[in-house]
Amino acid sequence: QKEVEQDPGPLSVPEGAIVSLNCTYSNSAFQYFMWYRQYSRKGPELLMYTYSSGNKEDGRFTAQVDKSSKYISLFIRDSQPSDSATYLCAMTSGAGSYQLTFGKGTKLSVIP
Amino acid sequence: EPEVTQTPSHQVTQMGQEVILRCVPISNHLYFYWYRQILGQKVEFLVSFYNNEISEKSEIFDDQFSVERPDGSNFTLKIRSTKLEDSAMYFCASSEANVEQPQHFGDGTRLSIL
Repeated sequence: QKEVEQDPGPLSVPEGAIVSLNCTYSNSAFQYFMWYRQYSRKGPELLMYTYSSGNKEDGRFTAQVDKSSKYISLFIRDSQPSDSATYLCAMTSGAGSYQLTFGKGTKLSVIP
Repeated sequence: EPEVTQTPSHQVTQMGQEVILRCVPISNHLYFYWYRQILGQKVEFLVSFYNNEISEKSEIFDDQFSVERPDGSNFTLKIRSTKLEDSAMYFCASSEANVEQPQHFGDGTRLSIL
């Protein structure tokens, strides 16, 4: 079983739609969860950073973590063409290990 | 906004040659990392570095790889004898502290081995 699974898409939505991106994981030691956005030919840009279970909101972005289900989500409200990018989930245990384990990324296109 | 800077953006090297990838982490950050992304695959952890020592490394980071902080601002990744399978995007990242502060990434160096 792969450690972090993420549907690679591609996902295409009309402008203004609500987007839901998800990752599942198998390692119950993961405690810290991140979402990065990656534009073409650029590095991962941090969007959201959460610890343990719960919700976190930042503008149009909401991150959810459900550790009991080993499932994390990123919601984008009122999606814009500028949100078109690849979204990577990443996680780490923090228990003496700070390496990030990434999902494969979901490619999102927001159509005007 | 402070950012991680990587040079060069693209490096082309003959197989068997040594290559050095350079990074300037964010100035007040203490933890430094290298990751790589082979085309079409996941971003993979290579190594983390703190207080002038490797703190963690993956199975990928074998004897062909080394890291160094030669001065107060640069952080380098050296591949001693490159192989075709070393072709990838290499990302440098840094963080203020260990896990309580997130890692911030540079835009990467695309390494092409011929």
